[in-house]
Amino acid sequence: QVQLQESGPGLVKPSGTLSLTCAVSGGSTSSSDWWCWVRQPPGKGLEWIGEIFHTGSTNYNPSLKSRVTISIDKSTNQFSLRLSSVTAADTAVYYCAKNSAYRVDPWGQGTLVIVSS
Amino acid sequence: EIVLTQSPGTLSLSPGERATLSCRASQSVSSTYLAWYQQKPGQAPRLLIYGASSRATGIPDRFSGSGSGTDFTLTISRLEPEDFAVYYCQQYGISPPMYTFGQGTKLEIK
Repeated sequence: QVQLQESGPGLVKPSGTLSLTCAVSGGSTSSSDWWCWVRQPPGKGLEWIGEIFHTGSTNYNPSLKSRVTISIDKSTNQFSLRLSSVTAADTAVYYCAKNSAYRVDPWGQGTLVIVSS
Repeated sequence: EIVLTQSPGTLSLSPGERATLSCRASQSVSSTYLAWYQQKPGQAPRLLIYGASSRATGIPDRFSGSGSGTDFTLTISRLEPEDFAVYYCQQYGISPPMYTFGQGTKLEIK
């Protein structure tokens, strides 16, 4: 079964760029599935950030679109998130996940990213 | 963009009781596009229900989903101690293509 694992810096400076990678195992990023990022600020709800298909096609949350880039590397079976011009409001647990058939499943365990100087 | 509103914000019940959680959409949603998740503290969300009423793999049959149009419901028939958690509904929107979540319902032990 598919498993996902996020990795990346846990601390990012304000105005900097948040970069995370998601390693996929037990499945292939070349499959007919979309791969996505979801975030959750401490004590708050879930926010979908965006998704990518193996062709490189992407969809983004309009509220974040100007700052988000999601990319995929099929050779390493990974996909990545870059979020630019971060502020304290971007502090959150970031999850990578698979979305297919209009549902998000499975999810990675999540990684906390704090934006602070 | 469709907005999902979940109610109540917090639900206090005892083990063995029946829980009814509501998810209301700001405009009609296809049942195919509606899912429910459970999240426990420190854990990632877990898919419970998809297509409004289909249980995900390994989900006990005390969990059921129903509804159509703008009103959807997650029912837990007899609460077990491990069911106390936060529950989110989610819908997929076509234009623009994106997923949105409700704000969550916290199910706590009374």
